[in-house]
Amino acid sequence: EADIYQTPRYLVIGTGKKITLECSQTMGHDKMYWYQQDPGMELHLIHYSYGVNSTEKGDLSSESTVSRIRTEHFPLTLESARPSHTSQYLCASSPQERGYQETQYFGPGTRLLVL
Amino acid sequence: DQQVKQNSPSLSVQEGRISILNCDYTNSMFDYFLWYKKYPAEGPTFLISISSIKDKNEDGRFTVFLNKSAKHLSLHIVPSQPGDSAVYFCAVGGSQGNLIFGKGTKLSVKP
Repeated sequence: EADIYQTPRYLVIGTGKKITLECSQTMGHDKMYWYQQDPGMELHLIHYSYGVNSTEKGDLSSESTVSRIRTEHFPLTLESARPSHTSQYLCASSPQERGYQETQYFGPGTRLLVL
Repeated sequence: DQQVKQNSPSLSVQEGRISILNCDYTNSMFDYFLWYKKYPAEGPTFLISISSIKDKNEDGRFTVFLNKSAKHLSLHIVPSQPGDSAVYFCAVGGSQGNLIFGKGTKLSVKP
């Protein structure tokens, strides 16, 4: 089972602020993901990465950006937060390579509220 | 259009009885299926998975059944316990490598 960490767990900020959500995993997994999830809704993939220096956009359009400079670290940045960004953000990682069946392991999530 | 459907938003079961959660998918190319459990304000926890070459996989109190012809999978929990109360997400994967999740079913197990 993966050890994957997210900080902060909760964040309340004002409109227009720049924020970075941190995600780290200690299992050496190549693939990492960011999802957005609202109550009663499915998890929507917003970004993923196959490894260092790889970033891809997911199925849900997002104004956020990501970077993957180290295998274990996959931060998500919002340059200018808006109330529509209020949601739960979930980071996950997977040990599988591209095209193979994969089990994703999730962090505890960051609950973001933009006022 | 939703590719993965969990048609029951909620389910209530008595402690000790069986809980059956259902999931339907639309694309026969999916070949890997998973169930996750999620408590409020926490991330999903992986429960159990099944490959398309099997029709059943069991792990303790949890069993997943796959009916490929019907494009349907189900999760059976027996016996159900109050600690099983959570939202259960079905997820499917295929050659594209990314998982697609359903909207979840909220299970309440009453003592």
